[in-house]
Amino acid sequence: AQKVTQAQTEISVVEKEDVTLDCVYETRDTTYYLFWYKQPPSGELVFLIRRNSFDEQNEISGRYSWNFQKSTSSFNFTITASQVVDSAVYFCALSEEAENNDMRFGAGTRLTVKP
Amino acid sequence: EPEVTQTPSHQVTQMGQEVILRCVPISNHLYFYWYRQILGQKVEFLVSFYNNEISEKSEIFDDQFSVERPDGSNFTLKIRSTKLEDSAMYFCASRTVHNQPQHFGDGTRLSIL
Repeated sequence: AQKVTQAQTEISVVEKEDVTLDCVYETRDTTYYLFWYKQPPSGELVFLIRRNSFDEQNEISGRYSWNFQKSTSSFNFTITASQVVDSAVYFCALSEEAENNDMRFGAGTRLTVKP
Repeated sequence: EPEVTQTPSHQVTQMGQEVILRCVPISNHLYFYWYRQILGQKVEFLVSFYNNEISEKSEIFDDQFSVERPDGSNFTLKIRSTKLEDSAMYFCASRTVHNQPQHFGDGTRLSIL
């Protein structure tokens, strides 16, 4: 069975600090997909990134970067020079190709960026 | 860019009443999903639907729940006799073929009184 663990329930930083959100996953499948979503106070899920299990290349998009390491089953998310607008709940999620691609979410990390 | 749309954005219902949450998936999508998020908790998978039938459902999706695709565009989630614990945000999602990402709607917040 697939499982996603986000051990950090809440993180609070001051603006301009860098912050890393951890995500550890479990799966028996060899083909799977990892995701990060942002959920602002308004409640919608904002897609940030999708990574498939065969692509271990790290990705950078502006202030966001993702570190995928299959050896440790981790897919961590770093925000560089955080801003107040980054305050939200961030969810990591996993879907297995063999399991109809149903997405299983972690418990989420609430990030608060203070001015 | 095409979007998944959900209506209403907020639904308030008396306990014991039936409620139908509506979703219009992206038009060329083939796989449809419902997820639930109780306030302050994680997003949980409810059910997936393909080729006019349920392909998988979670333990949350009991006999009180049903899904339907009544026409070529809508995908509905029905809760027959709502309970207080059904209060949550319900997200609809859809995708095209097998390994493509799911697109989520903005959710319907269901409040049971």
